[in-house]
Amino acid sequence: DTEVTQTPKHLVMGMTNKKSLKCEQHMGHRAMYWYKQKAKKPPELMFVYSYEKLSINESVPSRFSPECPNSSLLNLHLHALQPEDSALYLCASSQWGREAFFGQGTRLTVV
Amino acid sequence: KNQVEQSPQSLIILEGKNCTLQCNYTVSPFSNLRWYKQDTGRGPVSLTIMTFSENTKSNGRYTATLDADTKQSSLHITASQLSDSASYICVVSAFGNYGQNFVFGPGTRLSVLP
Repeated sequence: DTEVTQTPKHLVMGMTNKKSLKCEQHMGHRAMYWYKQKAKKPPELMFVYSYEKLSINESVPSRFSPECPNSSLLNLHLHALQPEDSALYLCASSQWGREAFFGQGTRLTVV
Repeated sequence: KNQVEQSPQSLIILEGKNCTLQCNYTVSPFSNLRWYKQDTGRGPVSLTIMTFSENTKSNGRYTATLDADTKQSSLHITASQLSDSASYICVVSAFGNYGQNFVFGPGTRLSVLP
């Protein structure tokens, strides 16, 4: 199984809503990542979890809250988002020194 | 500053033709270089991964080269198909404090026309 599964595929939420994005992998990877990608731009790193601990937070606003409940799951909790937060949110996982596997992404629209 | 540049920014070719995409990087300490294909609105899919000691790696109609001395890589696509229309992203991995740091290039947008 070389898949990273993200749910939901599409999400529309209001600025006062609370929602969560989910990411799952069963490759035994101990590094998991959240990226944000705007149209026609490369992905921008948001968070990195290493062995279920938050290793990197790229100065992401607190309205984005990551969580890694176990080595296979990664969540991104969303609250009070702004329209400019609309983007494709990508989850990835890897083992050190090896390629990263990306999920298909969640297309988020904030209205 | 770690940086990855790609050229051309966009490319249009006819079905069946070959093309070559370029990637230049200034990333240190270098771990590996990967090429990804990304369809619009989808996650990137890995095509190849190359380490410092590898010069060439093929994956079907895709052949990647790496010159670690000049810090350049290329992705050659042979006998292009309509389904090759996508963005191709060069990603260079550097060893960082937490293990790896992925540096993304801006991508080359390839359009294959019938």
